[in-house]
Amino acid sequence: KQEVTQIPAALSVPEGENLVLNCSFTDSAIYNLQWFRQDPGKGLTSLLLIQSSQREQTSGRLNASLDKSSGRSTLYIAASQPGDSATYLCAPVLDSNYQLIWGAGTKLIIKP
Amino acid sequence: ETGVTQSPTHLIKTRGQQVTLRCSSQSGHNTVSWYQQALGQGPQFIFQYYREEENGRGNFPPRFSGLQFPNYSSELNVNALELDDSALYLCARSDGVGDTQYFGPGTRLTVL
Repeated sequence: KQEVTQIPAALSVPEGENLVLNCSFTDSAIYNLQWFRQDPGKGLTSLLLIQSSQREQTSGRLNASLDKSSGRSTLYIAASQPGDSATYLCAPVLDSNYQLIWGAGTKLIIKP
Repeated sequence: ETGVTQSPTHLIKTRGQQVTLRCSSQSGHNTVSWYQQALGQGPQFIFQYYREEENGRGNFPPRFSGLQFPNYSSELNVNALELDDSALYLCARSDGVGDTQYFGPGTRLTVL
């Protein structure tokens, strides 16, 4: 059974800092891995999708890496801004049935 | 904007009642998935529909059922509501299984 852990559970940093969010998963048989952000009480916004054959994927100030064999992904946020404050969730997609399995998320607060 | 809409936005029901939640997309997409998200947790996969057929189901009892229509809109039905069904219900569309998922804003269901 795939289990997803996100560390830290919460993070508060001053504006302008670079930061790394961690995601680990127990089953390396994944199709891809997706990162999302969720604002309070709202739906999820897709940030990045990284294929199982890829090592990195970039979008603007965001960079996601994937080490499938060790069951790890990181989301790097450069030059953080108060608008980046949200909960960030990772979701590996199982190879067997294409289901997304979710972590509980990292709640990020960027202080102005 | 993801182009995915859900109705209603909020709903209050009492234990034992039945509820229908709706999801629609501005453009047609083959796949729709439904998730339940309890407060402070990651989403839990309920089921997925691909071209109007159920294509996968999570660990939810049969009183959770769904439909996908030819116009790619979808319904989630929950019978015999229980207090623990109180949650944010999210639907997501994608072009295919395992592809990037685009979420609606969710329906907040409260069961009293």
